[in-house]
Amino acid sequence: EDQVTQSPEALRLQEGESSSLNCSYTVSGLRGLFWYRQDPGKGPEFLFTLYSAGEEKEKERLKATLTKKESFLHITAPKPEDSATYLCAVQEYSGGGADGLTFGKGTHLIIQP
Amino acid sequence: DAGITQSPRHKVTETGTPVTLRCHQTENHRYMYWYRQDPGHGLRLIHYSYGVKDTDKGEVSDGYSVSRSKTEDFLLTLESATSSQTSVYFCAISDRALGNSPLHFGNGTRLTVT
Repeated sequence: EDQVTQSPEALRLQEGESSSLNCSYTVSGLRGLFWYRQDPGKGPEFLFTLYSAGEEKEKERLKATLTKKESFLHITAPKPEDSATYLCAVQEYSGGGADGLTFGKGTHLIIQP
Repeated sequence: DAGITQSPRHKVTETGTPVTLRCHQTENHRYMYWYRQDPGHGLRLIHYSYGVKDTDKGEVSDGYSVSRSKTEDFLLTLESATSSQTSVYFCAISDRALGNSPLHFGNGTRLTVT
């Protein structure tokens, strides 16, 4: 069973059409949940870190929220330049905290003009 | 970009040959990571380093080794490349233990093993 599941796998929206991406996780003790954006041919670019249920972070048209079982990335009035693959990753409380993140498979978002 | 350079950017090699990928950082960050990214699997951790000469295995470490002799360089070696190691390899860095600081990624090395 995957520890991190993202849905939908792909999403096509019209410019200005708001929506949400989902990231559900099954780790027992969440140290942090991370959102990244990845453009074709590039490495993931950090967007947000969330630490506890109820926390929210915003950046331009993006807002990330966290509950005890899932996180949402809300995209308000998106523009074509928001087209990318959005990755969610978690880290559990284990070891010394250096041992990496567990990533979901991503949501491929396309915003049509 | 967070001062991370991966080299080469693209490489084609034959099965059974050794391959070394390099990650160089200019941020003086303590932690460095190697991930591979494959369709249908997402990013998976291969090895990581928490200081010079301090490394440990990740989820998919079989067939890979790493070395870190300087803070700024983290090398990933495929001792004898196989077709299953065809992938995009990403290096990442962090200045504190995860959960307190995010990972910052390089732009990847696309490796094809024929």
